[in-house]
Amino acid sequence: AQKITQTQPGMFVQEKEAVTLDCTYDTSDQSYGLFWYKQPSSGEMIFLIYQGSYDEQNATEGRYSLNFQKARKSANLVISASQLGDSAMYFCAMRELGIWPSGSARQLTFGSGTQLTVLP
Amino acid sequence: NAGVTQTPKFQVLKTGQSMTLQCAQDMNHNSMYWYRQDPGMGLRLIYYSASEGTTDKGEVPNGYNVSRLNKREFSLRLESAAPSQTSVYFCASSEEAGLIFSGANVLTFGAGSRLTVL
Repeated sequence: AQKITQTQPGMFVQEKEAVTLDCTYDTSDQSYGLFWYKQPSSGEMIFLIYQGSYDEQNATEGRYSLNFQKARKSANLVISASQLGDSAMYFCAMRELGIWPSGSARQLTFGSGTQLTVLP
Repeated sequence: NAGVTQTPKFQVLKTGQSMTLQCAQDMNHNSMYWYRQDPGMGLRLIYYSASEGTTDKGEVPNGYNVSRLNKREFSLRLESAAPSQTSVYFCASSEEAGLIFSGANVLTFGAGSRLTVL
């Protein structure tokens, strides 16, 4: 069974500083993908970054980077140079990379989210 | 450039009433999903459809039915609404299909539908 844990219900960061949002996961599968999504107050879900379990390099997308520590089963999101527009709920998610028609391969499992507030 | 469109955006129901949430995507995606979002619980998968004509249960399917009407449309039906189904519902789609899989199977989400059951 998959499980994603985000232990920080809320986080505050000063504008222009970096912030790390924690995510740990639990899976017995060797092949899986890790995702981060952003949900601003308007409600839509926005894809930020992806890391595959076999990727040797940590993923980066602009100001977002994913600190992937496979042995610890953690996939923390790092946002550099925070901006006011980064204030949102952030969700970590995982998906096992099975082959269809394995049902579990289709399920993207989400954590409970971290509410980030960027202070001016 | 509509992406994933959900209707309605808001709905209030009485216990026992039925309703259907509609979802359509214009990206020629193969897979479609319905999630519900409750406070403190993240998103949970209700049903998904890996391709036209197929549907499968997710984590929380009880009380719901789905129909993959064609490649574009995937509807979610509540036959007899209960207060426990008060939630925000998200439809999503992704390109992946069949045996072709990619780790980076990014889901594109609709704007969400807020449902209240009294």
